Amino acid sequence: QQQVKQSPQSLIVQKGGISIINCAYENTAFDYFPWYQQFPGKGPALLIAIRPDVSEKKEGRFTISFNKSAKQFSLHIMDSQPGDSATYFCAASPFIGNQFYFGTGTSLTVIP
Amino acid sequence: NAGVMQNPRHLVRRRGQEARLRCSPMKGHSHVYWYRQLPEEGLKFMVYLQKENIIDESGMPKERFSAEFPKEGPSILRIQQVVRGDSAAYFCASSEGLEETQYFGPGTRLLVL
Repeated sequence: QQQVKQSPQSLIVQKGGISIINCAYENTAFDYFPWYQQFPGKGPALLIAIRPDVSEKKEGRFTISFNKSAKQFSLHIMDSQPGDSATYFCAASPFIGNQFYFGTGTSLTVIP
Repeated sequence: NAGVMQNPRHLVRRRGQEARLRCSPMKGHSHVYWYRQLPEEGLKFMVYLQKENIIDESGMPKERFSAEFPKEGPSILRIQQVVRGDSAAYFCASSEGLEETQYFGPGTRLLVL
């Protein structure tokens, strides 16, 4: 049973465009939602994270939008660059430090 | 400040052999988590340990798999009598405390022939 559903599976965006990746969850006990970026052959690296007490968090070109009532959250990458090409995973946890439940990943390709 | 370190980075084993994967958490981190990643899939939680204690092993197969995090030294994930289905990338993460975010190591890619 997949606790966190992620879409799309793959995404191709033109350089300068906006990349949007969506995740949905069912467990209302989740209250910490990180996004990780993974390059081939590397471990996941924390990109940005949000708690459900805010609806949006922005760090540079990366923004998380959170809709608590719909149990959905999304990652927006503004002004996408070829260097952003990687696999992105959303995750959820009942609280920071407990096990993370990961989405299945989105392979992003930003073409010049 | 060195990040989470894992070794070996790549490990090849024949069916029936044992695999030992090591993880050194970030300095000052006393919480360690192990995840498994199959090709084209997300990471699946296996086990959560603190020094000398297994806190949650709900994601770890009951047979052939074990984990430890001794008082001194790295955390070790041990897979006995490996089978082809164990081929995957195994990632370790560490955190400073119970309510701190997790930082991942580079992973160990296990191939079972």
